[in-house]
This record gives sequence, structure tokens and C-alpha cells, in this order.
Amino acid sequence: LAKTTQPISMDSYEGQEVNITCSHNNIATNDYITWYQQFPSQGPRFIIQGYKTKVTNEVASLFIPADRKSSTLSLPRVSLSDTAVYYCLVGDNGATNKLIFGTGTLLAVQP
Amino acid sequence: DSGVTQTPKHLITATGQRVTLRCSPRSGDLSVYWYQQSLDQGLQFLIHYYNGEERAKGNILERFSAQQFPDLHSELNLSSLELGDSALYFCASSVRLAGSGELFFGEGSRLTVL
Repeated sequence: LAKTTQPISMDSYEGQEVNITCSHNNIATNDYITWYQQFPSQGPRFIIQGYKTKVTNEVASLFIPADRKSSTLSLPRVSLSDTAVYYCLVGDNGATNKLIFGTGTLLAVQP
Repeated sequence: DSGVTQTPKHLITATGQRVTLRCSPRSGDLSVYWYQQSLDQGLQFLIHYYNGEERAKGNILERFSAQQFPDLHSELNLSSLELGDSALYFCASSVRLAGSGELFFGEGSRLTVL
């Protein structure tokens, strides 16, 4: 079962690029890597998903090295509204079908 | 709006009582996941159903049970409630069986046990 490790917290300023790295050393061949954003008292919201190399959408980029043992979520030009907890999730496509979230990274964006 | 509906949004009850939380997944989604989030804690996986069948269990207490009905809505039953059961309970749905798809979360049911 793939376990993820993320920094507990990060600080940034408005307009900066933020990179949050997640380690998942025992990722399985069929696992995908997904990132979610959660605001207080709200359900997590999907940000981006990838399998390998680089994926980009309108809000973020996801970088995955060739060995897939880590991934980096990149948020360009953050604003105050990006203050939230960011979770890295490695999908367990094996027999267990468990989707286990890590502890998440609290990103605090300051003016 | 994720399309996932959870009821009730808030629930206050006493220790020893039993409650039922309900989740209606997005139209067409066959997978339903339940998560528990206590104050300042991460998301704890409880259980996963796919098309009516239980597919995976996490650290779900024996006092808790769940099921997914033929119309695909799901219910999480919590009994003999304790103070420590106070938490946000999230339901998420996905069209796929496994982890390669996006999870759509509801807004959660906040349970307070007094």
C-alpha cells in the first residue's frame, strides 16, 4: 500500500510560485498520483492527476520523475485564496482499492 | 458543486446514541468512499463500495457500518457513539473502481457527540 510523505506546512507570499513535494517510495506500477486541495470545513477538491512526466492544467502543474518515487505540485503565482491544505494521494489500483490520504501540507500565503 | 450530496450537514447527539449519515453520489458514479476527519486531523479512510459491494475497509470501528443500495446511494451508520466520534464525515464518489480517477467529495456531515 503506497504511503505518502509531505511537508507539514509551507509559507509563501502572493505572486510567488510554490512547489510542494510528495514522496511515495513504494508506488505501484498501476498507481496514479493525484493532488487535492481542502479549505477548512469543506470537502477536498481535485487539482491535478498524473502518471509520469509532466501534466499541466489551468491551475497547476505536476512533475513526476522517471522513477515515480516522488511528485511535485507546482502552483504558479499564488494568491491569498490558495491558502489551504494540499494532499497528495497515490491511487491503490491493486486488490485493496483503498485510497489513503497522507497528512497533507498546509500552505499559508501571506500578502 | 461536486454533485455529491450528503445529509445531514450538521448533527448533534449524545453519547451512546446511533446516527445514520447519507450520501448520494454523482449521477453515474459507482464508487462511494467514506472518510472521517477529526479536528485538525487528516482524512481517515473508512470504507469503499463499488456498485453495491464492499471493496475495501480502512480503520473503521466495529461500531460503524455502511452499505450501498441498488440506487447507489450509501449510508454510514455510527452506533454507541463516543465523544471521540465527533468529526466531519465525508463521502466521495468516483466513476471508476480503482484509484486512477478523480474523487468528487461532498461537503461533509459534521457530527458532534456531547
